[in-house]
Amino acid sequence: DQQVKQNSPSLSVQEGRISILNCDYTNSMFDYFLWYKKYPAEGPTFLISISSIKDKNEDGRFTVFLNKSAKHLSLHIVPSQPGDSAVYFCAASDPNSGNTPLVFGKGTRLSVIA
Amino acid sequence: EAGVAQSPRYKIIEKRQSVAFWCNPISGHATLYWYQQILGQGPKLLIQFQNNGVVDDSQLPKDRFSAERLKGVDSTLKIQPAKLEDSAVYLCASSQTRTGWFLHEQYFGPGTRLTVT
Repeated sequence: DQQVKQNSPSLSVQEGRISILNCDYTNSMFDYFLWYKKYPAEGPTFLISISSIKDKNEDGRFTVFLNKSAKHLSLHIVPSQPGDSAVYFCAASDPNSGNTPLVFGKGTRLSVIA
Repeated sequence: EAGVAQSPRYKIIEKRQSVAFWCNPISGHATLYWYQQILGQGPKLLIQFQNNGVVDDSQLPKDRFSAERLKGVDSTLKIQPAKLEDSAVYLCASSQTRTGWFLHEQYFGPGTRLTVT
């Protein structure tokens, strides 16, 4: 049973427009959420995170929104650039569990078209 | 600051053979993770170490997989014997020790792509 779901396997966006990547989770104990970006033949790299005490976190062109009641988060990239083309993984964690494992979604492949 | 190092980058073996992967985490990072990423899936945690102790190995197939981190720095992950379904990318990650509630980000190495034929 997937606890973190990214229902869109792929997304194409024109350069300069907004990219919106979505993520849903089922475990209500998750309290901390992260987005990772992955280029081919490289490991995932941390992009941005949000804790459940916030509903928005912004870092430059990247903003993550959290709707805890809907168990939904989204990553907005504005404006999108060709270098943003990668696979984006949503991950969640329960920091109170004593361990800090991340549960990942399957990823969404973003293609930014020039 | 050097990142997480992994070797080899690629490995092809036949089923029933054994294989070992090596990971060197970021200096000073006490927590080390091994993940398995099957094509089309997100990374799945296999084992987590805190220094040289195992914190979580609940998803490690212990009949064939083993991992160690003897001196609390480098780690090795072994598969013996390998099966076809073990074909995946094996990712190592490290993070600072969790302080209070704050969760430190995990930093990933480039991974080892294993193909079992």
